[in-house]
Amino acid sequence: AQKITQTQPGMFVQEKEAVTLDCTYDTSDQSYGLFWYKQPSSGEMIFLIYQGSYDEQNATEGRYSLNFQKARKSANLVISASQLGDSAMYFCAMRDYSGAGSYQLTFGKGTKLSVIP
Amino acid sequence: EPEVTQTPSHQVTQMGQEVILRCVPISNHLYFYWYRQILGQKVEFLVSFYNNEISEKSEIFDDQFSVERPDGSNFTLKIRSTKLEDSAMYFCASSEEGRDANYGYTFGSGTRLTVV
Repeated sequence: AQKITQTQPGMFVQEKEAVTLDCTYDTSDQSYGLFWYKQPSSGEMIFLIYQGSYDEQNATEGRYSLNFQKARKSANLVISASQLGDSAMYFCAMRDYSGAGSYQLTFGKGTKLSVIP
Repeated sequence: EPEVTQTPSHQVTQMGQEVILRCVPISNHLYFYWYRQILGQKVEFLVSFYNNEISEKSEIFDDQFSVERPDGSNFTLKIRSTKLEDSAMYFCASSEEGRDANYGYTFGSGTRLTVV
């Protein structure tokens, strides 16, 4: 069974500073994908970044980067140069590719990020 | 940029009533999903749908729930005889491929269902 753990229910960061949101995962599968989504107060789910289990380089998307440590089963999200608009809930999620017909995403409980001016 | 459209954005219904939540997935996507998020909790998988049939469902998706693709564009979630605990945000999502897709889904903006 898959499991995603986000140990930080809430985080504060000063505007323009970098922040790391933690995510660890548990799976026995070799082929999987890791995702981060942002959920602002309006409620929609916004895809941020993806990392495949066989990707050798850490994924980056603009100010977002994923610190992927496969041996430690961690996939932390790093947001550089935080902006007020980054204040939101952030969810880590995993998708298993090696099981038969398992297309669902398994989500963590989320981290609420607050950016302080 | 293509998007997944969900209607209504907010629905209030009385306990015991039936509700239908509607979604228009991205046109060239083949896989469709419903997820649920109870207020303040994590997002939970309900069901996936491919080739006009359910491909996977969770324990949450019991006989009270059903999904349908009535035409070439809409994808609906029906909840029969709603209960107070069905109050949640319901997200529709679609993806171009299933197990071979390298990227996540595209989520809709959600329908906030309130059962009173």
